[in-house]
Amino acid sequence: QKEVEQDPGPLSVPEGAIVSLNCTYSNSAFQYFMWYRQYSRKGPELLMYTYSSGNKEDGRFTAQVDKSSKYISLFIRDSQPSDSATYLCAPQGGSEKLVFGKGTKLTVNP
Amino acid sequence: EAQVTQNPRYLITVTGKKLTVTCSQNMNHEYMSWYRQDPGLGLRQIYYSMNVEVTDKGDVPEGYKVSRKEKRNFPLILESPSPNQTSLYFCAGGFGDTQYFGPGTRLTVL
Repeated sequence: QKEVEQDPGPLSVPEGAIVSLNCTYSNSAFQYFMWYRQYSRKGPELLMYTYSSGNKEDGRFTAQVDKSSKYISLFIRDSQPSDSATYLCAPQGGSEKLVFGKGTKLTVNP
Repeated sequence: EAQVTQNPRYLITVTGKKLTVTCSQNMNHEYMSWYRQDPGLGLRQIYYSMNVEVTDKGDVPEGYKVSRKEKRNFPLILESPSPNQTSLYFCAGGFGDTQYFGPGTRLTVL
Protein backbone atom coordinates (compact mmCIF):
# COMPACT_ATOMS: atom_id res chain seq x y z
CA GLN A 1 0.00 0.00 0.00
CA LYS A 2 1.39 3.40 -0.96
CA GLU A 3 2.01 5.85 1.83
CA VAL A 4 -0.12 8.56 0.23
CA GLU A 5 -2.83 8.18 -2.39
CA GLN A 6 -4.27 11.14 -4.21
CA ASP A 7 -6.67 11.17 -7.13
CA PRO A 8 -4.76 12.87 -9.97
CA GLY A 9 -7.89 14.21 -11.62
CA PRO A 10 -7.94 16.28 -13.69
CA LEU A 11 -10.80 18.15 -12.07
CA SER A 12 -12.66 20.86 -13.95
CA VAL A 13 -15.27 23.06 -12.25
CA PRO A 14 -17.13 26.29 -13.03
CA GLU A 15 -16.18 29.48 -11.24
CA GLY A 16 -17.88 29.75 -7.87
CA ALA A 17 -18.09 26.01 -7.28
CA ILE A 18 -17.04 24.30 -4.07
CA VAL A 19 -14.04 22.08 -4.70
CA SER A 20 -13.13 19.04 -2.63
CA LEU A 21 -9.65 17.54 -2.92
CA ASN A 22 -8.76 14.41 -1.01
CA CYS A 23 -5.91 12.14 0.02
CA THR A 24 -5.64 8.93 1.96
CA TYR A 25 -2.55 7.77 3.76
CA SER A 26 -1.39 4.57 5.42
CA ASN A 27 1.23 5.64 7.98
CA SER A 28 -0.39 6.23 11.36
CA ALA A 29 2.74 8.08 12.50
CA PHE A 30 1.82 11.08 10.34
CA GLN A 31 0.98 14.02 12.60
CA TYR A 32 1.40 17.05 10.36
CA PHE A 33 -0.58 17.56 7.20
CA MET A 34 0.20 20.05 4.51
CA TRP A 35 -1.37 21.10 1.26
CA TYR A 36 0.78 22.67 -1.42
CA ARG A 37 -0.37 24.53 -4.51
CA GLN A 38 1.72 24.38 -7.66
CA TYR A 39 1.07 26.64 -10.60
CA SER A 40 2.26 25.58 -14.01
CA ARG A 41 6.04 25.94 -14.39
CA LYS A 42 6.46 27.01 -10.76
CA GLY A 43 7.64 25.39 -7.56
CA PRO A 44 5.10 24.17 -4.99
CA GLU A 45 4.06 26.69 -2.35
CA LEU A 46 2.63 25.88 1.04
CA LEU A 47 -1.10 26.57 1.19
CA MET A 48 -2.34 25.00 4.41
CA TYR A 49 -0.72 23.35 7.42
CA THR A 50 -2.57 21.41 10.10
CA TYR A 51 -1.54 19.36 13.07
CA SER A 52 -3.41 16.17 14.02
CA SER A 53 -7.16 15.77 13.46
CA GLY A 54 -9.58 18.61 12.96
CA ASN A 55 -10.32 21.52 10.67
CA LYS A 56 -8.38 24.63 9.80
CA GLU A 57 -9.81 27.49 7.83
CA ASP A 58 -7.98 30.24 5.96
CA GLY A 59 -10.15 32.46 3.84
CA ARG A 60 -11.81 30.36 1.15
CA PHE A 61 -9.70 27.31 2.03
CA THR A 62 -10.47 24.68 4.66
CA ALA A 63 -8.19 21.77 5.48
CA GLN A 64 -9.70 18.78 7.23
CA VAL A 65 -7.92 15.83 8.79
CA ASP A 66 -9.55 12.62 10.01
CA LYS A 67 -6.79 10.53 11.53
CA SER A 68 -9.15 7.69 12.45
CA SER A 69 -9.83 7.03 8.78
CA LYS A 70 -6.46 8.38 7.55
CA TYR A 71 -8.22 10.81 5.27
CA ILE A 72 -7.29 14.42 4.53
CA SER A 73 -9.26 16.95 2.55
CA LEU A 74 -8.93 20.44 1.17
CA PHE A 75 -12.07 22.43 0.41
CA ILE A 76 -12.09 25.54 -1.73
CA ARG A 77 -15.19 27.72 -1.51
CA ASP A 78 -16.22 30.15 -4.23
CA SER A 79 -13.48 28.84 -6.50
CA GLN A 80 -11.80 31.32 -8.82
CA PRO A 81 -9.90 30.89 -12.10
CA SER A 82 -6.77 31.89 -10.17
CA ASP A 83 -7.20 28.68 -8.13
CA SER A 84 -6.38 26.66 -11.25
CA ALA A 85 -3.28 24.71 -10.25
CA THR A 86 -2.11 21.33 -9.10
CA TYR A 87 -2.72 20.63 -5.41
CA LEU A 88 -0.45 18.27 -3.52
CA CYS A 89 -1.11 16.78 -0.14
CA ALA A 90 1.91 16.13 2.06
CA PRO A 91 1.62 14.34 5.39
CA GLN A 92 4.64 14.18 7.66
CA GLY A 93 5.63 12.65 10.97
CA GLY A 94 7.76 9.97 12.50
CA SER A 95 10.78 10.91 10.42
CA GLU A 96 12.39 13.88 8.74
CA LYS A 97 11.00 12.80 5.41
CA LEU A 98 8.10 14.55 3.76
CA VAL A 99 5.90 12.40 1.55
CA PHE A 100 3.87 13.94 -1.25
CA GLY A 101 0.76 12.79 -2.99
CA LYS A 102 0.95 12.81 -6.77
CA GLY A 103 -1.19 15.92 -7.00
CA THR A 104 -4.65 16.77 -8.34
CA LYS A 105 -4.82 19.14 -11.29
CA LEU A 106 -7.69 21.62 -10.88
CA THR A 107 -9.09 23.91 -13.56
CA VAL A 108 -11.66 26.56 -12.63
CA ASN A 109 -13.49 27.79 -15.69
CA PRO A 110 -14.74 31.41 -15.85
CA GLU B 1 11.37 37.48 1.99
CA ALA B 2 12.15 33.76 2.09
CA GLN B 3 13.82 32.73 -1.14
CA VAL B 4 15.34 29.64 -2.67
CA THR B 5 17.28 30.05 -5.90
CA GLN B 6 18.36 27.36 -8.34
CA ASN B 7 20.68 27.48 -11.30
CA PRO B 8 20.47 26.75 -14.10
CA ARG B 9 16.72 26.86 -14.72
CA TYR B 10 17.00 24.84 -17.91
CA LEU B 11 19.74 22.46 -18.96
CA ILE B 12 20.15 20.11 -21.90
CA THR B 13 23.14 17.81 -21.69
CA VAL B 14 24.42 14.51 -22.97
CA THR B 15 24.80 11.16 -21.28
CA GLY B 16 27.84 10.93 -19.04
CA LYS B 17 28.72 14.62 -18.85
CA LYS B 18 28.99 15.61 -15.20
CA LEU B 19 26.80 18.48 -14.10
CA THR B 20 25.94 20.42 -10.96
CA VAL B 21 22.71 22.19 -10.14
CA THR B 22 23.20 24.84 -7.51
CA CYS B 23 20.73 25.72 -4.78
CA SER B 24 20.88 28.56 -2.31
CA GLN B 25 18.52 29.70 0.47
CA ASN B 26 18.38 32.97 2.39
CA MET B 27 16.39 31.65 5.37
CA ASN B 28 19.29 30.36 7.47
CA HIS B 29 17.42 27.07 7.84
CA GLU B 30 19.23 23.88 8.78
CA TYR B 31 17.06 21.66 6.60
CA MET B 32 17.38 21.53 2.82
CA SER B 33 16.27 18.93 0.31
CA TRP B 34 16.18 17.99 -3.35
CA TYR B 35 13.18 16.54 -5.19
CA ARG B 36 12.47 15.39 -8.68
CA GLN B 37 9.04 15.64 -10.23
CA ASP B 38 7.92 13.32 -13.00
CA PRO B 39 4.49 12.93 -14.65
CA GLY B 40 2.49 10.22 -12.95
CA LEU B 41 5.06 9.82 -10.18
CA GLY B 42 4.74 13.13 -8.37
CA LEU B 43 7.41 14.71 -6.20
CA ARG B 44 10.01 12.32 -4.88
CA GLN B 45 12.77 13.22 -2.48
CA ILE B 46 16.31 12.58 -3.70
CA TYR B 47 18.45 13.73 -0.77
CA TYR B 48 18.03 15.87 2.27
CA SER B 49 20.35 17.61 4.69
CA MET B 50 19.58 18.38 8.31
CA ASN B 51 22.62 20.60 8.75
CA VAL B 52 26.08 21.39 7.45
CA GLU B 53 27.98 18.19 6.66
CA VAL B 54 24.87 16.09 7.45
CA THR B 55 23.13 14.56 4.44
CA ASP B 56 20.91 11.51 3.99
CA LYS B 57 19.23 9.62 1.19
CA GLY B 58 15.64 10.19 0.25
CA ASP B 59 13.51 7.87 -1.84
CA VAL B 60 15.42 8.02 -5.13
CA PRO B 61 19.12 8.77 -4.44
CA GLU B 62 20.69 6.53 -7.09
CA GLY B 63 22.79 8.46 -9.58
CA TYR B 64 22.93 11.63 -7.49
CA LYS B 65 25.33 13.18 -5.02
CA VAL B 66 24.96 16.17 -2.75
CA SER B 67 27.19 18.18 -0.47
CA ARG B 68 26.48 20.64 2.32
CA LYS B 69 29.60 22.59 3.11
CA GLU B 70 27.79 25.75 4.15
CA LYS B 71 24.33 26.36 5.50
CA ARG B 72 22.93 28.33 2.60
CA ASN B 73 24.05 26.09 -0.28
CA PHE B 74 23.05 22.56 -1.22
CA PRO B 75 24.25 21.59 -4.71
CA LEU B 76 22.99 18.51 -6.54
CA ILE B 77 25.62 16.65 -8.52
CA LEU B 78 25.05 14.19 -11.33
CA GLU B 79 28.41 12.51 -11.91
CA SER B 80 27.33 10.60 -15.02
CA PRO B 81 23.84 11.66 -16.09
CA SER B 82 21.63 9.21 -17.94
CA PRO B 83 18.39 9.78 -19.90
CA ASN B 84 16.28 8.42 -17.02
CA GLN B 85 17.39 11.44 -15.02
CA THR B 86 15.54 13.74 -17.39
CA SER B 87 13.16 15.45 -15.02
CA LEU B 88 12.08 18.62 -13.25
CA TYR B 89 14.18 19.19 -10.14
CA PHE B 90 13.25 21.27 -7.12
CA CYS B 91 15.40 22.36 -4.25
CA ALA B 92 13.69 23.28 -0.98
CA GLY B 93 14.84 25.06 2.14
CA GLY B 94 13.15 24.66 5.50
CA PHE B 95 10.77 21.98 6.69
CA GLY B 96 7.08 21.49 7.42
CA ASP B 97 5.27 24.81 7.57
CA THR B 98 8.48 26.71 6.85
CA GLN B 99 9.46 24.88 3.68
CA TYR B 100 10.00 26.93 0.55
CA PHE B 101 10.67 25.55 -2.89
CA GLY B 102 12.90 26.94 -5.57
CA PRO B 103 11.59 27.68 -9.07
CA GLY B 104 12.79 24.36 -10.51
CA THR B 105 15.43 23.17 -12.96
CA ARG B 106 14.28 21.37 -16.06
CA LEU B 107 16.98 18.88 -17.03
CA THR B 108 17.09 16.95 -20.27
CA VAL B 109 19.72 14.25 -20.72
CA LEU B 110 20.15 13.10 -24.32
